[in-house]
Amino acid sequence: SAVISQKPSRDICQRGTSLTIQCQVDSQVTMMFWYRQQPGQSLTLIATANQGSEATYESGFVIDKFPISRPNLTFSTLTVSNMSPEDSSIYLCSVVSGGAFFGQGTRLTVV
Amino acid sequence: KNEVEQSPQNLTAQEGEFITINCSYSVGISALHWLQQHPGGGIVSLFMLSSGKKKHGRLIATINIQEKHSSLHITASHPRDSAVYICAALSNINNDMRFGAGTRLTVKP
Repeated sequence: SAVISQKPSRDICQRGTSLTIQCQVDSQVTMMFWYRQQPGQSLTLIATANQGSEATYESGFVIDKFPISRPNLTFSTLTVSNMSPEDSSIYLCSVVSGGAFFGQGTRLTVV
Repeated sequence: KNEVEQSPQNLTAQEGEFITINCSYSVGISALHWLQQHPGGGIVSLFMLSSGKKKHGRLIATINIQEKHSSLHITASHPRDSAVYICAALSNINNDMRFGAGTRLTVKP
């Protein structure tokens, strides 16, 4: 199993600024995923972040807007850059290690 | 058609009622998860299933691999069970999750 600590749990940000979300895992895992849930929508995969390689982004998501770091096997960050109100969502990290495990989610509100 | 379909979309129950939420999926999976999302947005993993049935307190989850179907049951429902319940399939191809749209449950006292 894996326990993920995701921070912050929520934030209210000004448009045009950036927010970095962190996920710390209590064990080494190869595969980490970042998801977004826009209001009233289901969770959607943003990108897959594997240590030692560039993140792989899904259609509709680009690195300039959502840069991801994966410096080691226990940690990753997702940055939401140059935010607009349309970025107001819940962001969730997940790892796969004998099953899937989830962070607690970050509720972002852009004003 | 979504790869993971949940029903119903919304569900209102009286306290004490037995509740069932259904999930059908069309992808190959290595596991299926049931998640609970609280009104504040926080997500809790309830169950991870690859076969059979699991029980935790008043919650029961079942899966039928041949029929590609899973159900989440809540016995003796309580207002604190009010949340969004999400079915999530862990793909056996590339290990990413495919999420259902969620079922919004409201339990009235």
